[in-house]
Amino acid sequence: DTAVSQTPKYLVTQMGNDKSIKCEQNLGHDTMYWYKQDSKKFLKIMFSYNNKELIINETVPNRFSPKSPDKAHLNLHINSLELGDSAVYFCASSHGTQYFGPGTRLLVL
Amino acid sequence: AQSVTQPDIHITVSEGASLELRCNYSYGATPYLFWYVQSPGQGLQLLLKYFSGDTLVQGIKGFEAEFKRSQSSFNLRKPSVHWSDAAEYFCAVADAGNTPLVFGKGTRLSVIA
Repeated sequence: DTAVSQTPKYLVTQMGNDKSIKCEQNLGHDTMYWYKQDSKKFLKIMFSYNNKELIINETVPNRFSPKSPDKAHLNLHINSLELGDSAVYFCASSHGTQYFGPGTRLLVL
Repeated sequence: AQSVTQPDIHITVSEGASLELRCNYSYGATPYLFWYVQSPGQGLQLLLKYFSGDTLVQGIKGFEAEFKRSQSSFNLRKPSVHWSDAAEYFCAVADAGNTPLVFGKGTRLSVIA
């Protein structure tokens, strides 16, 4: 059973498009996150949600909009994609310890 | 603000040799400390964590780490490295259990025969 899953695994798109990444966890955790890993492998927090409510929004452009329809899901919608958005996006959930999804590799052309 | 330093960008060890990956953190109180491993093209897998108690923690795959408050360090060790250990290793710190992680920049481990 996959604890934290993300779809799609790979996403290739043109500049200016809008795309969504979905995340689901079956661990019963209340807290979920989105992280961005850049081309140098540096990982940085983007958003944190607790019980469907936004807790932390780091300095992320407002083209990025997370949505949590329920405790088990945290989706990420990105408007007007730019070249610099190319990265690996990781979803995670926690109850003390964070468990990560497999990542979504986004390439913007 | 918290920060994590992994001084070694890339380390190469021979298979069967011992390994130590360094991690130093900057934080006022005792943080929650973690080591994660990322194999090429994969996600992040938790190796071990320290919240409190015994300062020597055991993890999966034969790894251990020691928390040294006086040195603000949480170094990862393995007595005998296997070729399958080749990966990127990340040290991370958090304020508490359900707060975002602050990651170091990672150490890439290569294993040679």
